[in-house]
Amino acid sequence: ETGVTQTPRHLVMGMTNKKSLKCEQHLGHNAMYWYKQSAKKPLELMFVYSLEERVENNSVPSRFSPECPNSSHLFLHLHTLQPEDSALYLCASSQTDRVDYGYTFGSGTRLTVV
Amino acid sequence: QKEVEQNSGPLSVPEGAIASLNCTYSDRGSQSFFWYRQYSGKSPELIMSIYSNGDKEDGRFTAQLNKASQYVSLLIRDSQPSDSATYLCAVNGDNFNKFYFGSGTKLNVKP
Repeated sequence: ETGVTQTPRHLVMGMTNKKSLKCEQHLGHNAMYWYKQSAKKPLELMFVYSLEERVENNSVPSRFSPECPNSSHLFLHLHTLQPEDSALYLCASSQTDRVDYGYTFGSGTRLTVV
Repeated sequence: QKEVEQNSGPLSVPEGAIASLNCTYSDRGSQSFFWYRQYSGKSPELIMSIYSNGDKEDGRFTAQLNKASQYVSLLIRDSQPSDSATYLCAVNGDNFNKFYFGSGTKLNVKP
């Protein structure tokens, strides 16, 4: 496995369900991110983890809960979501001392809340 | 919230023409600028980065940066149908490689 891997690729969940999104990076990067991408809107930064410590959460609703057990894995736990939370959720990683490389994105999880 | 503005398009150009994509940003302190390409249903992929005023060329792509006017642009020469995608402009934030993205410009290259 190389790059940034996200699972599942697609997820349909009810408003009362609990689910988790998983992200794994094989690049040796030291920072990981969750972004939300909705139609015709800019990518919205949700969470940043640097060296496994959360450094930014951008006022995301508490129904989204991130977890970063180590520098290679990132989770986004979901519960009691709303239909407006339906979007593409992208995980990314970077090396904080190599700004010129930018982010490497995973393929994303397409989430539909019904 | 830092703002990054892009024309949503679609921008339509014939095959072989030059496509010009523009982006403006609000934070004068920004130092790093990136262009990502996103095909429909796929994740963004990095195609160019630029840090200094002026032009930076990479193959058919040229990024242009003007910090005084707070804009960054991307030129695609000899456009191909395979270049049809949404192009996202990203500008760095305060630290930790945190970037703010524009909403993207959709480019259609017609054969």
